[in-house]
Amino acid sequence: GAVVSQHPSRVICKSGTSVKIECRSLDFQATTMFWYRQFPKQSLMLMATSNEGSKATYEQGVEKDKFLINHASLTLSTLTVTSAHPEDSSFYICSAGGGAGYTFGSGTRLTVV
Amino acid sequence: GENVEQHPSTLSVQEGDSAVIKCTYSDSASNYFPWYKQELGKRPQLIIDIRSNVGEKKDQRIAVTLNKTAKHFSLHITETQPEDSAVYFCAASDNTDKLIFGTGTRLQVFP
Repeated sequence: GAVVSQHPSRVICKSGTSVKIECRSLDFQATTMFWYRQFPKQSLMLMATSNEGSKATYEQGVEKDKFLINHASLTLSTLTVTSAHPEDSSFYICSAGGGAGYTFGSGTRLTVV
Repeated sequence: GENVEQHPSTLSVQEGDSAVIKCTYSDSASNYFPWYKQELGKRPQLIIDIRSNVGEKKDQRIAVTLNKTAKHFSLHITETQPEDSAVYFCAASDNTDKLIFGTGTRLQVFP
């Protein structure tokens, strides 16, 4: 079946630095990738939709200058958390798919110290 | 945009009993309704889904019902087992393919 590979699985970074998270579709082409954030004991909140070859669309309340999304190819979407702060510590997960079903990456646990 | 509400937030049942989790959605254009089970720190795992042209779907101990008119759908787990203990999420998507999750239900099955 379809596989989305997400890296890194865990990252610890210092406050003020940037972190890049990658999601690759291994055996299919993903023109769209969805990015979610999940705080402890909470639901998955859709942050943005990345579209291959065009600008990402962000959900209300998500800072596009802080969460940079790039979808430069049909198999790679990246999320960069810029100038990370402790409140950005969360579980970030990507997903590709649609009405026929969704494939999720394995998630990235980001801890900002 | 779509808003999905889920109840209850926690559910405790005795092994062998049934568990029911309910969700409502706001966007009548939504047409795909999956249910996920999530272990701590892991990706959501699809357990069953239903599309808007179907009212009910069953897979062994798990069933989902959909009422399009009322805009609600439910997950039914029968003969619960301790390994069913997890967090369950409902979700809904429309023709934009955005998948919006419910708030989650923590299910505990006691032996």
